[in-house]
Amino acid sequence: DGGITQSPKYLFRKEGQNVTLSCEQNLNHDAMYWYRQDPGQGLRLIYYSQIVNDFQKGDIAEGYSVSREKKESFPLTVTSAQKNPTAFYLCASRADRGTDTQYFGPGTRLTVL
Amino acid sequence: QKEVEQNSGPLSVPEGAIASLNCTYSDRVSQSFFWYRQYSGKSPELIMSIYSNGDKEDGRFTAQLNKASQYVSLLIRDSQPSDSATYLCAVRTGGGNKLTFGTGTQLKVEL
Repeated sequence: DGGITQSPKYLFRKEGQNVTLSCEQNLNHDAMYWYRQDPGQGLRLIYYSQIVNDFQKGDIAEGYSVSREKKESFPLTVTSAQKNPTAFYLCASRADRGTDTQYFGPGTRLTVL
Repeated sequence: QKEVEQNSGPLSVPEGAIASLNCTYSDRVSQSFFWYRQYSGKSPELIMSIYSNGDKEDGRFTAQLNKASQYVSLLIRDSQPSDSATYLCAVRTGGGNKLTFGTGTQLKVEL
């Protein structure tokens, strides 16, 4: 059963805490992406990685960090430096060869209490 | 100026009608264009991709691309209540295989 999984589905965090969102894919895709979506807004790119052990900042990277130690995994840490972390977080992946189509995981909804 | 623009809607159409969703983009060198459907509380799912000028049909969906005018549209024929969702336009811009998304158009198909 191939696909992209994200966990947890819902996450509650107290102010000042760091939290890590999981994203795993078994599609053998090379590239992975993290987006943030706020109500009534489009997706904004946080970080992306095109290859293991390498990643680049997107448009809104401040207050976030990532790692890419394995091809299958691209976790996102939301740090206490992120001022407005409450949002819907989406992970996506893309096969490297001859395509730029991205496929999305089910998302994690983060709420800061 | 936003890089990818969509009318936020809601766009209301009666069941069985044709829904027409539009998207304009600012980067003239964009080459890849995508339409995603997003139900409330869910993640986006790919409907269509289009790369060349003209029309591309897939079932009830037709994507239209006009690079000279910098717009891409999605037509949904025989609209069904299950088509009610937000439709996101995405454009590949610049390098790094990054997509830029519009804010989405909410479509409501009424019985």
